[in-house]
Order: sequence, then structure tokens, then C-alpha cells
Amino acid sequence: AQTVTQSQPEMSVQEAETVTLSCTYDTSESDYYLFWYKQPPSRQMILVIRQEAYKQQNATENRFSVNFQKAAKSFSLKISDSQLGDAAMYFCAYRSGTGTASKLTFGTGTRLQVTL
Amino acid sequence: GAGVSQSPRYKVTKRGQDVALRCDPISGHVSLYWYRQALGQGPEFLTYFNYEAQQDKSGLPNDRFSAERPEGSISTLTIQRTEQRDSAMYRCASSRSTDTQYFGPGTRLTVL
Repeated sequence: AQTVTQSQPEMSVQEAETVTLSCTYDTSESDYYLFWYKQPPSRQMILVIRQEAYKQQNATENRFSVNFQKAAKSFSLKISDSQLGDAAMYFCAYRSGTGTASKLTFGTGTRLQVTL
Repeated sequence: GAGVSQSPRYKVTKRGQDVALRCDPISGHVSLYWYRQALGQGPEFLTYFNYEAQQDKSGLPNDRFSAERPEGSISTLTIQRTEQRDSAMYRCASSRSTDTQYFGPGTRLTVL
């Protein structure tokens, strides 16, 4: 079974600074997808970024980028120019690439605080 | 609507009652997923459907939990004889087959 580990329960960053959230995963599969979801105080689940394991290039979405290290099974999220609206719980998630569709396996989350 | 919708948004019930939670996926999304999220934890998978077929129900905790999606669109998650430990946020997500899953706002269930 796949597992996802987020070792940082809480992180803090100053506005306009950069922060990196860590995620590691364990799998024996070669084809899979990785995601970061954001959960603000409203508790909605919002997709931040996704990465296909077969792609060597790291995904980027505006101020959000990932550092995907397949051999190390590491998938960290970098938030640049942090804004107050980035304060939220961030979840890393894994999905198998085999089969027609399959479940997401989530980590326990990292709570990000953004300070002035 | 453009997104996944869930109803009710909040449900308070007494122990032993049955509850039905509804999910309306994004139009055209063939896959529908149910997750449960305890406070301070990540969502945990319960079950999923492709069209009307339940493909995986391995995450349902016991036989008090069931789900259906009879016409391949709206889905209902039913919890019979609720217990206090069933209190959680229940989330629905939908996707176009193997694509990214988009989540609804969730139903917060409180069992007294």
C-alpha cells in the first residue's frame, strides 16, 4: 500500500518570502500522480498543483512550484512571494497511474502560517 | 453549477439514526469519490464509482456505510445506526476518468 508522509505539522513564513513544504511517499509503482491540495479555514479542498511521475520537468503554477525527486520519492512544494491568502492547511496526495481511476492517498497535512 | 455540490452542508443527528449525504458531481465527470476527513487529518478514501458502477468500496469502515450512484450522476452515501465515532467531514470529489479530482465543500456530520 502507498503511504504519504508530511513531516512538518506546522510552518511559518513572512509575507513576500519563500517557503518549502516537504512530502515523501512510498510506492513500488512507476506510474503515478502527485498532488498538492490547499485547505483554507473555509475547509474547502483546492487543487494547487499536480505532477505526473513520468515527467521529469517540475510542475509550476504561478507562485507555486514543486521539486519532484522520483528516486528519492520526494515531492516538495515551494511557495514564492508568500501572501496572507496562502495561509492554510496543505495536503500532499498520491494517486496510482494504473487502472481506470483510483483513490487519492493523503498525508497528514502541514499548517502554513503567513505573518506580516 | 460549475463545481461539485454536496448537501446538506451540516447535519446533526442523534446516535442510532440513519443519515443520507448527497453529492452532485461536475457535469460530465464519470468518476465520483467519497472521502472522510477527521479534524486535523487528511481525507481518507471510502469508495468510488465509475458511472453507476461501484469500483472500490474497500475504504468503507463497516457494513453500516453504503453508497450508490444509480444513474451515474448524483450519489448518496448512507450511514445507518450512526455512532459518535462517525462524526467527521464527508467529502465528495469527481473527475473525468483518470483526471484530477475536484472536491465539493463537504458535509460536516455531528452525531450526538
